[in-house]
Amino acid sequence: RKEVEQDPGPFNVPEGATVAFNCTYSNSASQSFFWYRQDCRKEPKLLMSVYSSGNEDGRFTAQLNRASQYISLLIRDSKLSDSATYLCVVGRSARQLTFGSGTQLTVLP
Amino acid sequence: EAGVAQSPRYKIIEKRQSVAFWCNPISGHATLYWYQQILGQGPKLLIQFQNNGVVDDSQLPKDRFSAERLKGVDSTLKIQPAKLEDSAVYLCASSPMGGSWTEAFFGQGTRLTVV
Repeated sequence: RKEVEQDPGPFNVPEGATVAFNCTYSNSASQSFFWYRQDCRKEPKLLMSVYSSGNEDGRFTAQLNRASQYISLLIRDSKLSDSATYLCVVGRSARQLTFGSGTQLTVLP
Repeated sequence: EAGVAQSPRYKIIEKRQSVAFWCNPISGHATLYWYQQILGQGPKLLIQFQNNGVVDDSQLPKDRFSAERLKGVDSTLKIQPAKLEDSAVYLCASSPMGGSWTEAFFGQGTRLTVV
């Protein structure tokens, strides 16, 4: 079983739609959780950290369920500029970061 | 603030040849990562350094890959000899040490094609 698993998609949604991505992780000792965004042929960049209480940044909401070892990302009111690959990232001790395979999103006009 | 610098940006080599990649992390960042990203997949950790010590190299194919981080700053990743399946983007990232978790900052990567 992979340490971090994501639905690869692709997700094709119209502008203005709400879309949700899910991620599961296998190591219960994982300490930190992130969503990174990667544009085509570019490097990954941090989108947001994920906190136990859940957190929101504008149109983006991240949730963590430690009991189920599950992380989610919700994007509301999708924009064309949201088209990218979204990478679920899990951190362990000594700052070890494990990436999921990514979920591809295309927002259509 | 200058970001993570990597060179070269692109490299094409024949199988069985050797190749080296260079990374200069953000100044002051103690943690340095090398990731391999094959097309359509997420980044896979090859090796992680804390200053000039290795934290994790469990997924580094040590029969052909080697990496070093002398003086705890710059790092080089070498492949010798290269195989066709090594074609990928090699990403270097760095993050600072400290109490709470902070993000890892990535360089633009080196795109390697083995023919």
